[in-house]
Amino acid sequence: GAGVSQSPSNKVTEKGKDVELRCDPISGHTALYWYRQSLGQGLEFLIYFQGNSAPDKSGLPSDRFSAERTGGSVSTLTIQRTQQEDSAVYLCASSLVWQANTEAFFGQGTRLTVV
Amino acid sequence: EDQVTQSPEALRLQEGESSSLNCSYTVSGLRGLFWYRQDPGKGPEFLFTLYSAGEEKEKERLKATLTKKESFLHITAPKPEDSATYLCAVQINSGNTPLVFGKGTRLSVIA
Repeated sequence: GAGVSQSPSNKVTEKGKDVELRCDPISGHTALYWYRQSLGQGLEFLIYFQGNSAPDKSGLPSDRFSAERTGGSVSTLTIQRTQQEDSAVYLCASSLVWQANTEAFFGQGTRLTVV
Repeated sequence: EDQVTQSPEALRLQEGESSSLNCSYTVSGLRGLFWYRQDPGKGPEFLFTLYSAGEEKEKERLKATLTKKESFLHITAPKPEDSATYLCAVQINSGNTPLVFGKGTRLSVIA
């Protein structure tokens, strides 16, 4: 695609429910990243993928968070048993390759509100 | 611990009033420093990458510079459409670390 696409744009969910956030990266980009942005805070790194592999999951805030990527393309971030502190904008980015001084291009984000 | 600090947190300028935003970093081996612009409700938009001290890059009214400890984003004769949050991020040499972002500077340019 022309850019990184995320869906949904907005999601309101009840506390305790599970949510899935989707990211469709730029075609041909092998690296994919998930970040979280809370009000007044910087971007918090969650997880990255090289192809379909996520070498380091230590950035995920808790075991309620998981992510997968299939076919080297679409990625899904799943949050189980959502809590109010999960409310934030979840941003996805992709780059041509991991590191190697390549810039990352971001999607428009998914605004998650847990009520 | 690798850190990125941006200042000021917020900046209000009159149209045409030039100024600079600061990004200071403490990292163990800088691979690259990135500047992004973020408009409300949107994802960050890539502006510049700087790799070594002394490097400068320009785009329209923006110029980014880099030293061994900090980077500046200079805005010359800003216009209201330059209003946005400007984010700085660093990429370090070691390990499998991603971009580490600062909290950003919210710029408002008043006509």
